[in-house]
Amino acid sequence: DIQLTQSPSFLSASVGDRVTITCRASQGINSYLAWYQQKPGKAPKLLIYAASTLQSGVPVRFSGSRSGTEFTLTITRLEPEDFATYSCQQVRSYPWTFGQGTKVELK
Amino acid sequence: EVKLVQSGAEVKKPGESLKISCQGSGYNFLSYWIGWVRQVPGKGLEWMGIIYPGDSKTKYSPSFQGRVTISVDQSNNVAYLQWSSLQASDSAMYFCARSLDSTDNWFDPWGQGTLVTVSS
Repeated sequence: DIQLTQSPSFLSASVGDRVTITCRASQGINSYLAWYQQKPGKAPKLLIYAASTLQSGVPVRFSGSRSGTEFTLTITRLEPEDFATYSCQQVRSYPWTFGQGTKVELK
Repeated sequence: EVKLVQSGAEVKKPGESLKISCQGSGYNFLSYWIGWVRQVPGKGLEWMGIIYPGDSKTKYSPSFQGRVTISVDQSNNVAYLQWSSLQASDSAMYFCARSLDSTDNWFDPWGQGTLVTVSS
């Protein structure tokens, strides 16, 4: 199975901060990676797919990039509604897998 | 509006069977993959498997193969996740989600989740 390792697992930040979350794949997955945002008690929401494509309706302060097997989710200026858990997912090969999640908390 | 609506919370005893559902609306149900994802409270997301309603082609994660069955009712636009014998370790929130397009890929949108509690 392809392992996805996210870092950090927890992140404390303030409104207006630039936030970067990394997801490293255990083997090559091309750009078959998505990022999801999940708030407590809610279903995940697709933010980014194909490593860097912004899903319709998602604010442009969210962006994704890829360098080899390392993927990055960046939030340029953190808004109050962005405090949540972020997870990456690979769909390169079965079984699809998720990273363990990164919780972004208010500092 | 594309929507997935899941069945309500369940409380079961170990050894009991269970079938939870995911009703799709607002799109051609047969043309998009439906997947199931488990989330133990306080933990991360786990991909369980995926089904193509058009031909019922199914893929399972080895972690769940043989423990659950994913199926669809093509006539009523419903996907199912079922267990024949529940264990306490099956207690979790279960989400269904649709593929973004007609190929098997990322999930959007998601259902609201079904909480399953297995306790004696």
